[in-house]
Formats: sequence, C-alpha cells, structure tokens
Amino acid sequence: GESVGLHLPTLSVQEGDNSIINCAYSNSASDYFIWYKQESGKGPQFIIDIRSNMDKRQGQRVTVLLNKTVKHLSLQIAATQPGDSAVYFCAENRAGGGNKLTFGTGTQLKVEL
Amino acid sequence: KAGVTQTPRYLIKTRGQQVTLSCSPISGHRSVSWYQQTPGQGLQFLFEYFSETQRNKGNFPGRFSGRQFSNSRSEMNVSTLELGDSALYLCASSPGTSNTEAFFGQGTRLTVV
Repeated sequence: GESVGLHLPTLSVQEGDNSIINCAYSNSASDYFIWYKQESGKGPQFIIDIRSNMDKRQGQRVTVLLNKTVKHLSLQIAATQPGDSAVYFCAENRAGGGNKLTFGTGTQLKVEL
Repeated sequence: KAGVTQTPRYLIKTRGQQVTLSCSPISGHRSVSWYQQTPGQGLQFLFEYFSETQRNKGNFPGRFSGRQFSNSRSEMNVSTLELGDSALYLCASSPGTSNTEAFFGQGTRLTVV
C-alpha cells in the first residue's frame, strides 16, 4: 500500500534528553526519505533526508537511521531543547515518483522543562 | 536566497465559489508540488508540476486543478468550493526532477463557510 505510519502520536521528553521518533513505511520501492518539523501555524521545515543506499545520516543534533529490512525509519534528536517542540513527519518518495511525497501521520514532540 | 512564497496566507470563501492560490518556488527550482493538510487526513499530495507539465496527480476530484508558468511559479485552483475543502494548502519546491529535497512554504489557510 501507500501508507507511511508512525508508532506514537505523542512523545514527551525532558529537556536535555535524547528523543527518538519512529516511522514505518510499507512500500519497498521507496528509496528516498525526508524528516520534517512543523510548528504551529507554519509549513513543514526540512530537517534531514536519507537515500535507500544509506543506513545512517547525521546532521546538526539529528541522526536518521534507515532499516530497509524491516522498513523502519527513525529520527534521533540529541540534547532535546524546548525549541524542538513540534510535530515531526516522515515522508517517503519512491523511485520514478518524481518529487511526490507520501507523509506519515506525524508525532507530536513535547519537551518538558 | 528567498524561500518558497505562498499567497495569500489566509482566505475565507463561501461554498460554491472558486479560489486561486499562488506559489513562487525557490529560485532555480523547477518542480512545484501542492499538498492539502487537514487534521483528519494529514498531509495529502495534490499534484506536481515540472517545467510547466503536470506529471503526478493525487486522488482529488477534478475541482482541484493547477498550472505552472514558464518562470516556475505555480497556481492551484479549486472550483465549486465545499466545506470540506477548508484546509492548509502547502506548496513545496524541489530543485531536481525526482527524489530531491522538497522545501515548503508557509501555506495558505483556506476557510470555506
């Protein structure tokens, strides 16, 4: 099918802790994935992407892991800060699909002080 | 470099009317995609334009249409508005032909009354 699902709708973490947001995808033809952050009243903000020929990619305070065997994607945020509070979406793009993205349902990340 | 610009930011229309939304992509980007975001359905793909040609289309009725101009700016039109068309309409700009980063604008909040 065309579903990209998230395991948890809400994730609460303490400031300074690491956050892990998970995403499952169902289409093995997907070969490009993007994580977005969306704050209230704003459009999705590109965080990090990964292609299917990689299993890990790191950015500033963020790491994306891709496990193609179980069709699982995760976003790790190190030293979570109050400004990280937002909804996080994973999105998939399959080969030959142009730039069409299929989005997951989103995870609300809440950072507690 | 300027980001993706969507106009207007907010719009209120009456059932049965039509509406046109505008998107100016990042300079040099030739791909523009449109998405509808609602609390119930999440982020759903409407269509993608590349070099003035529609090359991907989502599962929306024919009331939803779009076009792209030679300067890559894009418009989407919704005719015979229904209450259920109330949503945040997002435009994404991508630099390449396929499987490339997609950067979103702030969106147009459409309310149909």
